[in-house]
Amino acid sequence: QKEVEQNSGPLSVPEGAIASLNCTYSDRGSQSFFWYRQYSGKSPELIMFIYSNGDKEDGRFTAQLNKASQYVSLLIRDSQPSDSATYLCAVTAGGYQKVTFGTGTKLQVIP
Amino acid sequence: DAGVTQSPTHLIKTRGQQVTLRCSPKSGHDTVSWYQQALGQGPQFIFQYYEEEERQRGNFPDRFSGHQFPNYSSELNVNALLLGDSALYLCASSLEGGYNQPQHFGDGTRLSIL
Repeated sequence: QKEVEQNSGPLSVPEGAIASLNCTYSDRGSQSFFWYRQYSGKSPELIMFIYSNGDKEDGRFTAQLNKASQYVSLLIRDSQPSDSATYLCAVTAGGYQKVTFGTGTKLQVIP
Repeated sequence: DAGVTQSPTHLIKTRGQQVTLRCSPKSGHDTVSWYQQALGQGPQFIFQYYEEEERQRGNFPDRFSGHQFPNYSSELNVNALLLGDSALYLCASSLEGGYNQPQHFGDGTRLSIL
């Protein structure tokens, strides 16, 4: 079982719709959860991080964490073509900052 | 405010050679982590440096080694290069502070092994 799992996609949504990206993790001791956006040929860019159960909103982005079910999700409201990228879910556990990434979900926003 | 900078941008080597990649962390950051990202995969953790010492290591052979300097910059060395080492190598910096410190990535070094 992979430590962090994501559907590889592609996930296609029309412009203006809500894109929902999901991630599950296996280590119940995981403590911090990050979403990165990666455009093709570029490096990952931090979008959001969440530590506590519930929702965290930042502009068009909302991260949702459910530790009991071991999943974290990212909602993108009013999706734009510029949001088309691969979204990486990342998880840390333990006292240090070793980050385990999923393989990413490719999002395509159709104009 | 300078972000994470990596050099070189691209590198071509042949099997058996050695390579050194360099990273300068974001201003104010003291912790540097290195990742390998193969095409179509998520970044894989290689190791992390703090206070000039390797603090954590992923599942990579001893051919992968590193160093952190007093100014927090870091190097990644790979010996006896294999074709499978072809990948994007990413450096990420953060503030020491445990699990909740987000990491910021540089643009990466794309290494191609012929």
